[in-house]
Order: sequence, then structure tokens, then C-alpha cells
Amino acid sequence: GAVVSQHPSRVICKSGTSVKIECRSLDFQATTMFWYRQFPKQSLMLMATSNEGSKATYEQGVEKDKFLINHASLTLSTLTVTSAHPEDSSFYICSAPPGAGYQETQYFGPGTRLLVL
Amino acid sequence: GENVEQHPSTLSVQEGDSAVIKCTYSDSASNYFPWYKQELGKGPQLIIDIRSNVGEKKDQRIAVTLNKTAKHFSLHITETQPEDSAVYFCAGNTGNQFYFGTGTSLTVIP
Repeated sequence: GAVVSQHPSRVICKSGTSVKIECRSLDFQATTMFWYRQFPKQSLMLMATSNEGSKATYEQGVEKDKFLINHASLTLSTLTVTSAHPEDSSFYICSAPPGAGYQETQYFGPGTRLLVL
Repeated sequence: GENVEQHPSTLSVQEGDSAVIKCTYSDSASNYFPWYKQELGKGPQLIIDIRSNVGEKKDQRIAVTLNKTAKHFSLHITETQPEDSAVYFCAGNTGNQFYFGTGTSLTVIP
């Protein structure tokens, strides 16, 4: 299957700082990528849809000024958690469809564990 | 939007037995139903999927069945092995957005 990577895999930061998470499609181009958040023992909750060359679409209840998304190229989307607080600690996962004709399928990255102290 | 319900939330089976996980969905327009396996601390991995024009799909020990009329689909794992232990998520789509079930924690007892 298609490969999606994330960096970093784990990050610890102080409250009030910003953290950037990268999501890359390694062997295909992705005009759309998706960002999810997963709390312990819970399901994946869609945060936003990242669109290459245009603004991201955020799900209801997700603050766009707090979770900044930039999809600057066909293989890279970034999620920046601004002024992070302990309640933002979570597992952040991105996904992407593998390409034209397979838009329904999504391949997930390995996730980024964020811990805000 | 789509609402996907998943049962059971936990499931324990003896090695070699079968495991069945069931999901229901609400949006009759949904046409794609993937199943993901997630191991602790890792991202979900696609294990099998089914499209709405098919009633059943099988890949070795894993099979998925879909009943569009009743709006439910199921994952079947036969001859379970300890490495099948993980959390399994079903999903339904609305367009290119996924809505996940609440997950099933499967434990295969050696």
C-alpha cells in the first residue's frame, strides 16, 4: 500500500509553546490529507481536511487558529498546535488517499504522540 | 453526517477460534467501508475494505460482509492468532471523509 510518514513520532513540550507535526506521502501525491486526533482508548476524530494550495476545512468544534494547517506541496501537510496546553496532549494521526481513482481509500501515518507539560 | 456504531467494544477469543465484529451505519449514501487494525502506539493499518456494489470480500483469514439494505457490515477473522490482538476500527464514508466506529479491542488468548 501507499506509505505515509509523520514527524516527529513523539514530542514533549512546555505549556504555551507551539508544536509542528509533518505528514508526508512518500510514494504518491496527495492533494488532500486528513488530520485526526485520538485520545487514549477512544476512536479517531477528524479534525480537519487539508487541501493543497487552499485553506483547510475544519470540523465543527476545532479551532482553526489553534490548529494551523498548511498543505504547501503535493506531498507535505503540516499541523501546528499553537500555544499548546495539557488538554492538547493526544495522539495526532494524518491520512491521505493514495491517488486518482482511489480517493475513497486512506492510508494512515504512524501517528505523533504529543505531551504538553 | 454519517454515524457508525461498532460492537462489541471488547472481544476475547481462544487462539484458533473465529472473531466477528459488527458495524452499522446511518448514511445510505455511504459506499465504501474499510476496516483498520491499530496496534498500541501506532497508526491504523488498512486490512480489508468493501465497496457498496459487493456483498462479501475475503482475503485469506479475513472477510468482510456488507448488507446495504440493513446498513450493516461485519469483519470476520478465522483461525485467530495472538498477533491478531489489536484494536479494530470500522468506518463509513460521506464523500471522501471517514467516520469511524468506536473500536473493538480484540484479545486472542494463546
